[in-house]
Amino acid sequence: AQSVSQHNHHVILSEAASLELGCNYSYGGTVNLFWYVQYPGQHLQLLLKYFSGDPLVKGIKGFEAEFIKSKFSFNLRKPSVQWSDTAEYFCAVTDTNAGKSTFGDGTTLTVKP
Amino acid sequence: EAGVAQSPRYKIIEKRQSVAFWCNPISGHATLYWYQQILGQGPKLLIQFQNNGVVDDSQLPKDRFSAERLKGVDSTLKIQPAKLEDSAVYLCASSRMGTGYSYEQYFGPGTRLTVT
Repeated sequence: AQSVSQHNHHVILSEAASLELGCNYSYGGTVNLFWYVQYPGQHLQLLLKYFSGDPLVKGIKGFEAEFIKSKFSFNLRKPSVQWSDTAEYFCAVTDTNAGKSTFGDGTTLTVKP
Repeated sequence: EAGVAQSPRYKIIEKRQSVAFWCNPISGHATLYWYQQILGQGPKLLIQFQNNGVVDDSQLPKDRFSAERLKGVDSTLKIQPAKLEDSAVYLCASSRMGTGYSYEQYFGPGTRLTVT
């Protein structure tokens, strides 16, 4: 069975600090990888995705993530966070064979102005 | 395009009562998912439909939960009877299927269920 582990449950940063949220998954087959974000009072929405090609993917609002296959990791980064990045971030893995998705437990990011 | 619609947004019931949630996916999305999200945890897949067939329901507590997707469009999820531990947000999501699509999911606003 596939699983997703997000290392940090709650991260608190000041504006302009750099961000890296860890995500590791366990699954032996081919996967698509996602980061979803949920801003306060809003739906879960896609932040970025990887399914083939360049392992460094860029998403909305200056976020990027790097897929390192050998480490089963897909860490999320942003060089300079803003107060508006305060949200909950979920890493998700989809098994491309069965199309089944597994989510991590999320990381709550609080950015202090 | 219109997003994923869910209703109701909130529901409070007593244990042992029944409850139903409704979801209308984005037009043209063949795959529909129901997730349960307990506070402090990530969404847990309950059931996944492709058109009107079930792809995965391995984590659906079938003694009390049921779901259907008639005509391959909208879907209902039912709990009967409810237990206190069913208190959660129930999320519906949809995605396209087919070669070249990445299984990107579009989520509805969720239904927050409180069982007292």
